[in-house]
Amino acid sequence: GAVVSQHPSRVICKSGTSVKIECRSLDFQATTMFWYRQFPKQSLMLMATSNEGSKATYEQGVEKDKFLINHASLTLSTLTVTSAHPEDSSFYICSVPTGRGPVADTQYFGPGTRLTVL
Amino acid sequence: GENVEQHPSTLSVQEGDSAVIKCTYSDSASNYFPWYKQELGKGPQLIIDIRSNVGEKKDQRIAVTLNKTAKHFSLHITETQPEDSAVYFCAASKDTGRRALTFGSGTRLQVQP
Repeated sequence: GAVVSQHPSRVICKSGTSVKIECRSLDFQATTMFWYRQFPKQSLMLMATSNEGSKATYEQGVEKDKFLINHASLTLSTLTVTSAHPEDSSFYICSVPTGRGPVADTQYFGPGTRLTVL
Repeated sequence: GENVEQHPSTLSVQEGDSAVIKCTYSDSASNYFPWYKQELGKGPQLIIDIRSNVGEKKDQRIAVTLNKTAKHFSLHITETQPEDSAVYFCAASKDTGRRALTFGSGTRLQVQP
């Protein structure tokens, strides 16, 4: 499977500041990466699909101007939470799909980033 | 869109017993069903998956069964050990569309020593 890293693992910031989270695919070239958000004791909810060389696709209800996604290369996607507020505090996790061709993808997840907005 | 329901939400078993977690899905086009184990503060770890052309898959103490007609799939863990304690998520996806995973609500498994 793919090895996925995230940085930072934890971040605490003040309300109104911006935070950048990096997701790296260490051993697999990913044209697509997914960003999920997980609130305490809840399931993972897809936020957006990060596409290398094109704009990200956001799920309904996710503000694209607040959650900026840049897929800079085949191994790096970044999520920037702009003007963060306490309600943005959550566990952000990226995943790398490793399928090729017309089959549903096996996805490998990063270790997650815990964001706390004061 | 796809909707995945998972039961039970919590499950407590004695060490050595078996554990079964069940999921149902709504989209008949879904054809890939992975199971993830998530420990506290960590990302989900893929433990087993099954595609719709297969009815059952086994990997040591873990097995997954799929009933396409009924649109449900189950995770079976035999000879449970304390280190199996975690939250388990089922998920579903398909070959078309955005191909992201839709997750179930999770099952907190506690294995009592």
